[in-house]
Amino acid sequence: EAGVAQSPRYKIIEKRQSVAFWCNPISGHATLYWYQQILGQGPKLLIQFQNNGVVDDSQLPKDRFSAERLKGVDSTLKIQPAKLEDSAVYLCASSPQGPNTGELFFGEGSRLTVL
Amino acid sequence: GNSVTQMEGPVTLSEEAFLTINCTYTATGYPSLFWYVQYPGEGLQLLLKATKADDKGSNKGFEATYRKETTSFHLEKGSVQVSDSAVYFCALPRRTGSYQLTFGKGTKLSVIP
Repeated sequence: EAGVAQSPRYKIIEKRQSVAFWCNPISGHATLYWYQQILGQGPKLLIQFQNNGVVDDSQLPKDRFSAERLKGVDSTLKIQPAKLEDSAVYLCASSPQGPNTGELFFGEGSRLTVL
Repeated sequence: GNSVTQMEGPVTLSEEAFLTINCTYTATGYPSLFWYVQYPGEGLQLLLKATKADDKGSNKGFEATYRKETTSFHLEKGSVQVSDSAVYFCALPRRTGSYQLTFGKGTKLSVIP
């Protein structure tokens, strides 16, 4: 079974530029999450989708971050304009619908460096 | 919301040494508790979990017991191997009934031969 795919793995941009990250969850997984992991810290939830609807985006800085999940499968996370403090690893995770064991399946992450 | 406090790292051990990584939680009710592991160059993956008080989760020689009296979920392994070198995260749902996980800061373990 293919895992969660993310791209790009690494991205370096100047501040005020924009960047987009892509995630393809495990086939059939209805729930998709984006987490931000700053160096030395645990992952912090940014947004949760259920199919193609947003369940919770309360921790997403909406002035610069946006995310969408078209057709309830792939998702894109965008940052515009980027700030220095956005340097982090952006993790995508998915989980199946139905009785939920609480297990999340993570991708390898996209590492962003903002200069 | 719920939160976890995790032992600061890094931790360096010799092969076959005993490992303990402390994790304490603050929560409403008795949520499920999790340990995730991140091996170098890989994504986080579930190591073990416990769904109710006094449950013991176990996997790959690691164990953790859900102790409501001390609000703890410490990770232990009797004899670590070089291949256990990784970052370990304690986690629990942000709110009762939710599966949005909130994570500790992570503890980096290095095992030397």
